[in-house]
Amino acid sequence: AQKITQTQPGMFVQEKEAVTLDCTYDTSDPSYGLFWYKQPSSGEMIFLIYQGSYDQQNATEGRYSLNFQKARKSANLVISASQLGDSAMYFCAMTYNNNDMRFGAGTRLTVKP
Amino acid sequence: SQTIHQWPATLVQPVGSPLSLECTVEGTSNPNLYWYRQAAGRGLQLLFYSVGIGQISSEVPQNLSASRPQDRQFILSSKKLLLSDSGFYLCAWSALAGVDTQYFGPGTRLTVL
Repeated sequence: AQKITQTQPGMFVQEKEAVTLDCTYDTSDPSYGLFWYKQPSSGEMIFLIYQGSYDQQNATEGRYSLNFQKARKSANLVISASQLGDSAMYFCAMTYNNNDMRFGAGTRLTVKP
Repeated sequence: SQTIHQWPATLVQPVGSPLSLECTVEGTSNPNLYWYRQAAGRGLQLLFYSVGIGQISSEVPQNLSASRPQDRQFILSSKKLLLSDSGFYLCAWSALAGVDTQYFGPGTRLTVL
């Protein structure tokens, strides 16, 4: 069965430092997509970054990059130069051949000034 | 550009009352539409998805139902709310089925008393 695991309930990072949020997944399907979303206190889910299972290079979007290690089935999110506005819940998610997007339990990131 | 709207933003309803949450998408045609529920401090659970008008797939058996009366309108309903229906309800859309980015609306926070 497809499963997404985020083992860090909470993380702290100093402003301007980089932080890595962990995500591992489990699927036997060769075609899948991995996503990261940010959920601030307002509740809206904001799409950050996408990595396809066949993509050869790690995805990057501004200060966000996805460290994709296919053999280890991990898709960690790296946020560089953290800002106070980065404080939020972060969810890793995966889709495969059907329309089911599975989400991890989330990691609460707190950026300290 | 595409935008997705949800209303109401917040709702407090007594147990046993009916429910109707609405989601509309602008700026795209024939989107795939999704309803998710998020319990407090948890990840998202897919409730329903739709690939076209009148086409609804249910992921979780419960006392909720969904309808898609128009191409860009998705409605979540219940005839009689339960206490366990409380949560944060998010609507999302994607351009393609399967492995594609889903974009979320602002959500509806439902409290059943």
